[in-house]
Formats: sequence, structure tokens, C-alpha cells
Amino acid sequence: RKEVEQDPGPFNVPEGATVAFNCTYSNSASQSFFWYRQDCRKEPKLLMSVYSSGNEDGRFTAQLNRASQYISLLIRDSKLSDSATYLCVVMSMEYGNKLVFGAGTILRVKS
Amino acid sequence: EPEVTQTPSHQVTQMGQEVILRCVPISNHLYFYWYRQILGQKVEFLVSFYNNEISEKSEIFDDQFSVERPDGSNFTLKIRSTKLEDSAMYFCASSEGLGGYEQYFGPGTRLTVT
Repeated sequence: RKEVEQDPGPFNVPEGATVAFNCTYSNSASQSFFWYRQDCRKEPKLLMSVYSSGNEDGRFTAQLNRASQYISLLIRDSKLSDSATYLCVVMSMEYGNKLVFGAGTILRVKS
Repeated sequence: EPEVTQTPSHQVTQMGQEVILRCVPISNHLYFYWYRQILGQKVEFLVSFYNNEISEKSEIFDDQFSVERPDGSNFTLKIRSTKLEDSAMYFCASSEGLGGYEQYFGPGTRLTVT
């Protein structure tokens, strides 16, 4: 079983749409969770950390369900500039501070 | 806004040659990392470094790889004898602390081994 699994997509959505991505992780000892975005051939950029209580940053909302080992990201009012690959990332102190990346979900927002 | 920088942006080398990839982490960060991404694949952890020693390394990080903090600002990754399969993007990252502290990535060095 992959450590972090994501639907690769692509998700093709019109501008203004709401889109949701899901991710599952296998290591129950994982302690910290993040969403990064990655543009083509660029570095991963931190989008947001994910907390058990859920958190929101503008149009972006992240949720964590530890019991189901499930993380989600909701993007409201999609913009063309949101087109990117969204990476679900987990970290366990058990393995030092290393980040374990999912393969990413491709989002394409079209006008 | 402080950022991680990396040089060079692109390095082409022949198989068997040594390469050194350089990174300048964010200045108040104490933890440093190298990751790599083979084209079309996911980002993979190579090594973490704190207090002048390796704290964690992956199976990929074999004897051909080494890391060093030669001065107060640079953090380097050396590959002693490059192989074709070392061709990838190499990303340096840094964080203020452990646990939930976020890691910030540099723009990467594209290594092409011919």
C-alpha cells in the first residue's frame, strides 16, 4: 500500500467552480499534514498545514480525519491561477522530520 | 520574504563525474533537507541534517551521496560518481524546527547525467 495516495486526476473545472481533493495515508503514526502545490517543473510551495480541527485560508479549506487517515482540500471559486498539481504531504516524527509526498492531483481550471 | 536559494539551476554532467549542488537555507532555520524528483514521479526524501550531522536518510542516500554545511550559510549535496539514474530535480528545503514546522523549498537544481 502506498504511504500517501491521491487521485491523480486531472480535474478539469471551469473558473468559479468548487473542487475537492482527497488523500489517504497509511502510517497511523503520522503527526503533521500539509498541502503543497507544484507548478510544472517548479518547487513544491506550501499551501497550508492541516489541523485536526480543520482550517481555512481564503478560498482554501483543509480537513483531517485521523480515524479514517484521510485528508481533504476544498478550493472554492477556482481561478485560472489555481491550475497546478496539488501534493498531499504527511510527516512522522518517528522518521525524523522527513516529508512523505503523494504523487499529486492535477487541477486544470479553464475559462 | 526570506527564501531558500539553490545553485546552479541546471547542471549537466557525464556519468561517473562528481557534482556538488549548493543551497542557502533561510537564515534562521536550523533543519535542512534534500529531496529529489525524477521527471514524472513524486518528490522523494533523501536526507535531513541538523547540528552538523545527518539526522535521517533514505535508502536512496547511499555511499555515493554526502552532505555538508561548509560555512554558516551554505548546505551542499555531493554525488561522488553520478549515474544515469541520478538525473532528477534536486530540491533543498529548510525548517525552523521539528514536528509540525513547515518546510520551505528552494527552486531546485535540474541534474542531467549523460
